[in-house]
Amino acid sequence: DAKTTQPPSMDCAEGRAANLPCNHSTISGNEYVYWYRQIHSQGPQYIIHGLKNNETNEMASLIITEDRKSSTLILPHATLRDTAVYYCIALNRDDKIIFGKGTRLHILP
Amino acid sequence: ETGVTQSPTHLIKTRGQQVTLRCSSQSGHNTVSWYQQALGQGPQFIFQYYREEENGRGNFPPRFSGLQFPNYSSELNVNALELDDSALYLCASSLRGNTIYFGEGSWLTVV
Repeated sequence: DAKTTQPPSMDCAEGRAANLPCNHSTISGNEYVYWYRQIHSQGPQYIIHGLKNNETNEMASLIITEDRKSSTLILPHATLRDTAVYYCIALNRDDKIIFGKGTRLHILP
Repeated sequence: ETGVTQSPTHLIKTRGQQVTLRCSSQSGHNTVSWYQQALGQGPQFIFQYYREEENGRGNFPPRFSGLQFPNYSSELNVNALELDDSALYLCASSLRGNTIYFGEGSWLTVV
């Protein structure tokens, strides 16, 4: 899998948009960008994924740059329940997930 | 709800014993992976099974072994338990080539 780089931690005020960046400069053409999050002591939760185009679902939006070397996960209205470690993963769809260190997101009341 | 269920949720074993952890995949999923997550660390890939065959293995010793059954459920077996095996063990399933979903994990404590 391509290596991804994420900031180790971020803060966001409750009710504001949380924008989590990820660099994946060596991503290959057939690798998708996946985002998972892990709330303390729970299994990782799938959030969203994309290949080239921006994607949106009920949880978040994913913005991928045109050169695909970076992406941003957007949680539009962060709540305290969004406090978690967020993992950005570049994944070939026939492969297995290799987790990096992720970003620890703190939502501040 | 991901449809991936793991059992038991918590267990305590003594050093040197053996443990079997179980995973029921989401319906229709033919690929299962196992991960070990020590406290404060990210999940580490142990191995993956696809249609009952091992399909990739991480840096874990042979005392970590697994099985995938015809119904695609799976087991993780760990022999000769060591204190450092204490961790959250995660099972993940997918229909090959599609999104991977995780269970809530089994907490293993080795004393």
